[in-house]
Formats: sequence, C-alpha cells, structure tokens
Amino acid sequence: SQQGEEDPQALSIQEGENATMNCSYKTSINNLQWYRQNSGRGLVHLILIRSNEREKHSGRLRVTLDTSKKSSSLLITASRAADTASYFCATDDNNAGNMLTFGGGTRLMVKP
Amino acid sequence: DVKVTQSSRYLVKRTGEKVFLECVQDMDHENMFWYRQDPGLGLRLIYFSYDVKMKEKGDIPEGYSVSREKKERFSLILESASTNQTSMYLCASSRGLGEQFFGPGTRLTVL
Repeated sequence: SQQGEEDPQALSIQEGENATMNCSYKTSINNLQWYRQNSGRGLVHLILIRSNEREKHSGRLRVTLDTSKKSSSLLITASRAADTASYFCATDDNNAGNMLTFGGGTRLMVKP
Repeated sequence: DVKVTQSSRYLVKRTGEKVFLECVQDMDHENMFWYRQDPGLGLRLIYFSYDVKMKEKGDIPEGYSVSREKKERFSLILESASTNQTSMYLCASSRGLGEQFFGPGTRLTVL
C-alpha cells in the first residue's frame, strides 16, 4: 500500500533555482526518510527525520516534518543539473516493523 | 565502502522459466528487502527478511518466494515467470529502522 504520496509528480526548474517537493502520509510514524534515484539505478538515502524533529539540514537539503498534518517537504537550494533525478519519501508505519513504505516519487529536472 | 550487489543488471527470460535474483550485502545488516518498481506505482515491497531463515511477506508476494540461508545473501525466486513480472527489481538492506542501502537494480524482461 502507498503511504507516502509525493507532490508534484514532476518538476522542471532552471539551474540555480530552489526545488520543493512535498510528501503526505496517512499513519503515525517513527521517522520519515528521503531518497534519490538517478535514472535506471538504485535509490540513495539523503536524509532521515525523526517524528520528534521539525526540521533538518544536510548541505543544500532542508527537510521539514509536520506530524499534525502528516506531511513533509524536501527543499533543494541552488539546484544544479546534477540534481536531476527522482526523489522519494519513505515512512515506517509504527505497526509495520522495519518495513518502509515508499511514495510514487517526484521527477525533478534541472535545466542548465 | 558499504555495498549491496545484485547478480545481474539486465535479465531476459521466457514465460514459465524459474528465475533467481541474488542480492549480497557486506554490512552485516540483519534486514534485507526485495522491491519491484514499476512506472506510476513507485516501489512495492515483495518480501523482507529480518534474520537468517526468517521471511515476511510484503505488499505483493504472489508469484514470488525468497531464501535467506546466510546473513549476507537474500535471493528472490520467480517459480514460473510471467510477463506481468517484467519490472525493475531492487534489493536493499538495513540495520533496524534506519536508512536502507540499495543495490543497483535488476531490470527483468519476461517474454
């Protein structure tokens, strides 16, 4: 079942602009993670935010989490062409052990 | 460097064949996962294993089985491949609830 749903499904921006992707989920969670996938490759972990955290930074990435709205956002600042990829949020359901549920992803294209 | 490897990047099989997809991790992780990824459907969990010889069904286990005889290796088996199993298959491993480390994926085509 799809718990995390990303919005928008696709995003096209110019190099240097900021990109914001959103994720909504349905059940209570322990943490929320964001992953990146280059075309035809496996996923790479970007950042994990715990349910008791509201904001987290890693380099040009900023993630927020609003557990009252069951939503998260991923902001990539000063985007580069190399940021072109699909981005997925993943949540762990409190009742689902160590399993993650992934959303459908946002396809980001950064034009040089 | 931590690593998850998958036995093939591309695989072409015929309907009815038995297919083995192998995954190996070198991080001594207790958890291992098999997902399939299809356009518009995101990643869907097929099976996961939290210990040697232990397995749990994910969201879409039908038509698949798994084997975990050693901690570092998790195999996905298609007993009788069908065309609707044409997909990208991704293996991952993790320790507890933390980040999952993914292999490069196997793109399977069933003719």
